[in-house]
This record gives sequence, structure tokens and C-alpha cells, in this order.
Amino acid sequence: DQQVKQNSPSLSVQEGRISILNCDYTNSMFDYFLWYKKYPAEGPTFLISISSIKDKNEDGRFTVFLNKSAKHLSLHIVPSQPGDSAVYFCAASIKAAGNKLTFGGGTRVLVKP
Amino acid sequence: NAGVMQNPRHLVRRRGQEARLRCSPMKGHSHVYWYRQLPEEGLKFMVYLQKENIIDESGMPKERFSAEFPKEGPSILRIQQVVRGDSAAYFCASSLRVPEAFFGQGTRLTVV
Repeated sequence: DQQVKQNSPSLSVQEGRISILNCDYTNSMFDYFLWYKKYPAEGPTFLISISSIKDKNEDGRFTVFLNKSAKHLSLHIVPSQPGDSAVYFCAASIKAAGNKLTFGGGTRVLVKP
Repeated sequence: NAGVMQNPRHLVRRRGQEARLRCSPMKGHSHVYWYRQLPEEGLKFMVYLQKENIIDESGMPKERFSAEFPKEGPSILRIQQVVRGDSAAYFCASSLRVPEAFFGQGTRLTVV
């Protein structure tokens, strides 16, 4: 039972353009959502998060949008840079359940110069 | 402020041996989580610990796997009698009482 899904396994984008990564979830109890970036042979690096009481959070080039009614969130990266090439994981948690993270399967992003 | 430290980075074990993976959380963090990433898959939650307590082990396999976070020293994930299917990357994360968790570099376990 995959509660968090990233349906696009890969994404290719030109440097300077926008990257849009999507994530869907099924468990309505999730109340916090996070995005992590991962390079090969390294641990995930926290990027940005959003609480379920908000619909948008922005941090520099990264913006996360949350649509609770659709159980959908997205990460926008603009402008995309070659160093953004990595695997991006969407994760969700329930604060009352100890904040353990449920991860999606990841989206591999390639930013072409 | 050092990040989450995991060791060893790479561990090779023969089938039937024991594997011990260590994790030192970020300074001041009292919450430790272990996750496993099988090849070509996402990360899966295994166990959540606070000092001297296992809070949630719902993701741990029922046999051969155990975890601890003693009052002093690192958190340990222990796998007894390893099998080939245990080959994976094991990540530790730590946090304060917030959802944002910070991950270590991981331990890549290979069972031969």
C-alpha cells in the first residue's frame, strides 16, 4: 500500500527553465509534507516543507504547493541549474505519530546545460 | 555543528554474519530514525527511537533486526544472520521535536 506516490520516475529540463515535480498521497491524516534531494551515494538533503494548514511555501528557487482536496503537492524549481540534477523524494508525516516519514519512490531530475 | 554521522559507510558481510550499523545524531537531537533503501526503491521507515526508548518499530522486520539508542553513545541498528535480501543502503536521521529530519550519509550493506 503505497501512501505517497511520485508518478514520474524521471524529468529532463533545460537549464534556466522551470522544473515541476509532482507527488500524490492517499492518507488524509498526513499533516506535514517535505521534499528531499539526493545525490548518488549520499544521504537525502532536506529542501523545503509545508504544513497542511498552508497551501504554499517558498524558499529561494524552491516553492512547494499543497492541494489538500486533491491530495497533491508539487515542487517548483526556478530557474533550474545543472547542480539540481539529482533524485527528489517527496515525504509525508503525521505529527501525532512521531513524525516518521513516508517517502515516495523518487523522481530523477536531469538539468541540461 | 557536525551533521548526522554514520559508520561504517560501506559494510560487507557474508551470509549468516552479524551487521552493526552506528549512527550519531546531530548535537542536541534526541530523536533518531532508521530508514532502509532497497535498490531502485524509495526509503522505507524502520524504527524511531529516543534515548533508551523504542518509540515505533512498526517498520522493522520481525526477526533478526534490532535497534537501540542508549543513554550514552550512538544508536545501533543490528542485523543478525544477514541474508542477501538485507543488502541495501541504511540511513539514519535525527531531529528535534519537528518533522524536518536530517540524514546521515548512509551505510551501504552488501551481503555476499
